[in-house]
Amino acid sequence: EVQLVESGGGLVQPGRSLRLSCAASGFTFDDYAMHWVRQAPGKGLEWVSGISWNSGSIGYADSVKGRFTISRDNAKNSLYLQMNSLRAEDTALYYCAKVSLYRSIRGWFDPWGQGTLVTVSS
Amino acid sequence: DIQMTQSPSTLSASVGDRVTITCRASQSISSWLAWYQQKPGKAPKLLIYKASSLESGVPSRFSGSGSGTEFTLTISSLQPDDFATYYCQQYNSYSPTFGPGTKVDIK
Repeated sequence: EVQLVESGGGLVQPGRSLRLSCAASGFTFDDYAMHWVRQAPGKGLEWVSGISWNSGSIGYADSVKGRFTISRDNAKNSLYLQMNSLRAEDTALYYCAKVSLYRSIRGWFDPWGQGTLVTVSS
Repeated sequence: DIQMTQSPSTLSASVGDRVTITCRASQSISSWLAWYQQKPGKAPKLLIYKASSLESGVPSRFSGSGSGTEFTLTISSLQPDDFATYYCQQYNSYSPTFGPGTKVDIK
């Protein structure tokens, strides 16, 4: 069974940093692109960042560009999101998601993890 | 970036109703569109990919159609389990984007 489990969320002050992790299992992790998507409380889905299977292609939403860094460790079947200079508007449930297409950064997302909550507040 | 819109934003319907949700892209995305269902407190669940391909295990009352800039998700006979929020997503570009969502609630 394909499984994605996020961790690392929590309460953090504005301007501070946080690193999210996503542990993957049940599939050959290094054959698939991965993405982060967030959802602010009561709001819709917002794509945050994506990384190709070999880390050769990376993209960010304009809202996080220059502050967030996505990375992956294929040996550890893990995806990461380093979040710096956090703002109140970054408060959200952060999901990691697997792209369904083999070795393509573009594609539909399936499955999704259950999310980890990041709250930015003083 | 490609912008996605959905209509309506909220839809009130009864069990057994035929329901249609529309998603529009700001530029052509061919058939690179997916539909997701999300229930409160849960992660989104894939329903449809490539605009009209039904994900394995998803009931056949769900169907998708369209190409280019206009797409629809249809539920042929609404069931109690279908009351949820539905999102479209384009993956034509390297920056995927989601529609704002359509909440289907009980009439």
